Amino acid sequence: DTAVSQTPKYLVTQMGNDKSIKCEQNLGHDTMYWYKQDSKKFLKIMFSYNNKELIINETVPNRFSPKSPDKAHLNLHINSLELGDSAVYFCASSQGENRDGYTFGSGTRLTVV
Amino acid sequence: GNSVTQMEGPVTLSEEAFLTINCTYTATGYPSLFWYVQYPGEGLQLLLKATKADDKGSNKGFEATYRKETTSFHLEKGSVQVSDSAVYFCALSLVQKLVFGQGTRLTINP
Repeated sequence: DTAVSQTPKYLVTQMGNDKSIKCEQNLGHDTMYWYKQDSKKFLKIMFSYNNKELIINETVPNRFSPKSPDKAHLNLHINSLELGDSAVYFCASSQGENRDGYTFGSGTRLTVV
Repeated sequence: GNSVTQMEGPVTLSEEAFLTINCTYTATGYPSLFWYVQYPGEGLQLLLKATKADDKGSNKGFEATYRKETTSFHLEKGSVQVSDSAVYFCALSLVQKLVFGQGTRLTINP
């Protein structure tokens, strides 16, 4: 059983399109996150949700809209895709104060052409 | 603000060499500290962690000690293997956010 699963693994799309990435965790964690990894491997938090409530939004363009239908799911919808959105997007989850670390999904490589 | 600084990579070593990857942090409180590893084409895996000063995290032969006085959490391994080739990330957790260093690419040659 995969603890944090993301779909799709690869996504190639044209500029201007709208796309979604889905994430599900079966760990019973109460907090979920989206991270972006750029071409230099730098990881930056985008959003976090605790029990379906948005708690962190790190100055991400409003073309990016997270949706959490329940605490086991956190999806990421991106409107009007731009070349600069090309990156690997990681979903993660944690429980409580995060002192045990996060569990990451395997990532979604988004390529905008 | 809270931040993590790792030694610049890439790091290239021969098999069985001793490894150190330096990591220092800046934090306004008392964070937990982590090392994550990313193998080629994969996601991030938690390698080890330490939640308070003087704690030592260890896993798969890797070790790191939480040093509050030097705000450091250096990763060490006594004898590296080719299979340790990956990107290593130091991170701190504070206020419901995991902050990463820039990553260090490690290549081990046979």
